[in-house]
Amino acid sequence: AQSVTQLDSHVSVSEGTPVLLRCNYSSSYSPSLFWYVQHPNKGLQLLLKYTSAATLVKGINGFEAEFKKSETSFHLTKPSAHMSDAAEYFCVVSDRANDYKLSFGAGTTVTVRA
Amino acid sequence: SQTIHQWPATLVQPVGSPLSLECTVEGTSNPNLYWYRQAAGRGLQLLFYSVGIGQISSEVPQNLSASRPQDRQFILSSKKLLLSDSGFYLCAWSRNRGRNYGYTFGSGTRLTVV
Repeated sequence: AQSVTQLDSHVSVSEGTPVLLRCNYSSSYSPSLFWYVQHPNKGLQLLLKYTSAATLVKGINGFEAEFKKSETSFHLTKPSAHMSDAAEYFCVVSDRANDYKLSFGAGTTVTVRA
Repeated sequence: SQTIHQWPATLVQPVGSPLSLECTVEGTSNPNLYWYRQAAGRGLQLLFYSVGIGQISSEVPQNLSASRPQDRQFILSSKKLLLSDSGFYLCAWSRNRGRNYGYTFGSGTRLTVV
């Protein structure tokens, strides 16, 4: 069965410094991978997605992620954090074993210090 | 363009009362529809999904039910709410059952059962 592990439940960074959110996945098939962001009491917004094309995926708001099959990882990065990046981030996997339904990680809360 | 509407945004209900949350999608036809619940400090749990009118699949046994009376309408219900039903409920849609290109989420309903 597919699954996702987000390695950090909470990440704190200073404004202007890089952000790294780590995600490892498990899938028996060629997976699709996504990162979503959720601001407090809001719905989820898609940041970026990997669906078997380029392994380095660029998303909105300066985020990018790299699919590394050998490491079964899909880490999310941003070179310079902004105060508005404070939110919860979810790594998500989907494959045909689960009829392409999404499986969510537990989430990583990002705090940005001024 | 496609839009998803979910209401109400917040709801406070007494234990034992009924529940009805509604979700509608515009700008597409025959969407897959999903209900998720997000309990405090936890990830997202898939409750129900539907691939067509009248077709509902339940992911977990619970006090809730779902219905899809029209192609783009998805309703989450309960006859008698429990305290444990409190949480943030999110509706989502996706295009089809094939290779998954991600879900689009509604803005969510914060349900507090008192």
